[in-house]
Amino acid sequence: GAVVSQHPSWVICKSGTSVKIECRSLDFQATTMFWYRQFPKQSLMLMATSNEGSKATYEQGVEKDKFLINHASLTLSTLTVTSAHPEDSSFYICSAPRDKEGQPQHFGDGTRLSIL
Amino acid sequence: SQKIEQNSEALNIQEGKTATLTCNYTNYSPAYLQWYRQDPGRGPVFLLLIRENEKEKRKERLKVTFDTTLKQSLFHITASQPADSATYLCALVTGRGSTLGRLYFGRGTQLTVWP
Repeated sequence: GAVVSQHPSWVICKSGTSVKIECRSLDFQATTMFWYRQFPKQSLMLMATSNEGSKATYEQGVEKDKFLINHASLTLSTLTVTSAHPEDSSFYICSAPRDKEGQPQHFGDGTRLSIL
Repeated sequence: SQKIEQNSEALNIQEGKTATLTCNYTNYSPAYLQWYRQDPGRGPVFLLLIRENEKEKRKERLKVTFDTTLKQSLFHITASQPADSATYLCALVTGRGSTLGRLYFGRGTQLTVWP
């Protein structure tokens, strides 16, 4: 069964809305989680590394004020897309490593975000 | 610049044949190389991991090879079935330890196995 749960699975909303996506590790603790974005027929691009109890680390070119990450517990990380616009429409996926070595990673089923 | 290239965007084979997918990389020194399967609208699912000091790994009908000299990994599915149809992603990990588990993905190869 799934070890990482992501919610919601899809969102359609108006431009300017803020959208929160949750990523939960179901039967293990994850001090680190990763957030990816995937455009059609493209590779998964790492957006940020979410660290429990501390600030997230963002990849170059990813606006931290646009994509707010909160990792308040060992089983939950949230990504909030603030004031979303059509260009933010994409498939957002989270992952978490299960063991101390950090590999492999377990992925959520993704969130399809469509901004009208 | 750093690149991860998967040989083709799509691969079509007949059921029962062996599918071979290629992953080449440049300007990386991976500690691990991994293969994931991704179905439409779903997150990737881990298949196999191979370390930099390993040459080959097997799991049931799957086999992965890793040549750090050629900077290449081959992923084989033997006795392929229509249920194997999916997109297969190659991913590299360049660091060690859970805090360095950043994955770098190729674009994937969409495999179609026809009856």
